[in-house]
Amino acid sequence: EAQVTQNPRYLITVTGKKLTVTCSQNMNHEYMSWYRQDPGLGLRQIYYSMNVEVTDKGDVPEGYKVSRKEKRNFPLILESPSPNQTSLYFCASSLRPPSGAQETQYFGPGTRLLVL
Amino acid sequence: AQKVTQAQTEISVVEKEDVTLDCVYETRDTTYYLFWYKQPPSGELVFLIRRNSFDEQNEISGRYSWNFQKSTSSFNFTITASQVVDSAVYFCALSIYNFNKFYFGSGTKLNVKP
Repeated sequence: EAQVTQNPRYLITVTGKKLTVTCSQNMNHEYMSWYRQDPGLGLRQIYYSMNVEVTDKGDVPEGYKVSRKEKRNFPLILESPSPNQTSLYFCASSLRPPSGAQETQYFGPGTRLLVL
Repeated sequence: AQKVTQAQTEISVVEKEDVTLDCVYETRDTTYYLFWYKQPPSGELVFLIRRNSFDEQNEISGRYSWNFQKSTSSFNFTITASQVVDSAVYFCALSIYNFNKFYFGSGTKLNVKP
């Protein structure tokens, strides 16, 4: 089954304790992206990746890191989480960038993060 | 700069009513794509439709229809004869040709009451 998976689905942590949220897709997609969803703000793009070893900032990259060492995986790293990073996070993938002619992004189930 | 505005934060209707969700976008580019996604209470994001900037034809899919008007930079979504299962948050989104970012509106929460 084609899917985007994220782990963990729920996470409670404390300020400053490094964490990683994993994202994996089994569709051989080139484009992957991370978003955060906050009330009243919708989804905002954090980082995206065009392909292996190619990543770029979205609109809200501060406090986050990503890596793309393999095509299927795109982990989101919070080196020193702060309470303002409490949010719902979504990973997404598409065969090509969403600006392509027929591309549609597939979203993971979301990771709810609480930073105390 | 690109921007998507969904001015309706929350809408409540009674089952079988028609409802329209508004979406206004801003971009200076001439080639772009507009999307609608549904987020039911379970939290996942479900793709509904994609429309490119050169195709202003309205689209109908069952009880759903979309009205794209470049003259007013709007891409509105209408649900006819709403049902309780339509209760969700609906997001409008924009991407620009050859530009790899994706922009979402703030979402409209639709409550359909029995």
